[in-house]
Amino acid sequence: LAKTTQPISMDSYEGQEVNITCSHNNIATNDYITWYQQFPSQGPRFIIQGYKTKVTNEVASLFIPADRKSSTLSLPRVSLSDTAVYYCLVARMDTGRRALTFGSGTRLQVQP
Amino acid sequence: DAGVIQSPRHEVTEMGQEVTLRCKPISGHDYLFWYRQTMMRGLELLIYFNNNVPIDDSGMPEDRFSAKMPNASFSTLKIQPSEPRDSAVYFCASRRQNNEKLFFGSGTQLSVL
Repeated sequence: LAKTTQPISMDSYEGQEVNITCSHNNIATNDYITWYQQFPSQGPRFIIQGYKTKVTNEVASLFIPADRKSSTLSLPRVSLSDTAVYYCLVARMDTGRRALTFGSGTRLQVQP
Repeated sequence: DAGVIQSPRHEVTEMGQEVTLRCKPISGHDYLFWYRQTMMRGLELLIYFNNNVPIDDSGMPEDRFSAKMPNASFSTLKIQPSEPRDSAVYFCASRRQNNEKLFFGSGTQLSVL
């Protein structure tokens, strides 16, 4: 089981770039890395997914080094509305429960 | 697309009462999941279905919990009898076959007094 480790919380200010790193030392060859965002009183929302190197979409970038033992979610120029909990998940989606287990996440607080 | 729809949004009940939570997945999605979220335990996967068939219910806490999916557009999670420790936010999620992206509903805030 590819256990993930994330910081419990992070603080930032509006306009700054925020990088949240997730450690997953036991990642398997076929595992993907997926990040979700959860706002208060809402369900988690898919942000981005990657396997290696770099992935970018309209919301964030995901950086994955060659050894894949960690990954970094990058949020450019955060705003107050980016205050949320961010979860890192590691698994192949066809591995059942293992792929669907959320850790404790990182609580990001963005200040004005 | 309306997204995953859950009802009720809030439920307050007394200990011992039966509680039924409802979920309508996104049309065309093959998988449906029930999660529970509390401050102490975070997001826990309770059970999930594939094509209306329960695949893994190992996360269902006790026999007091049961879930059904009678058709592709509807699922229920029932707690009978309910207890105060069942108080939590219950989320339903769905996804397509061969697509890793989970879509969550807005959740049901359950309070058992």
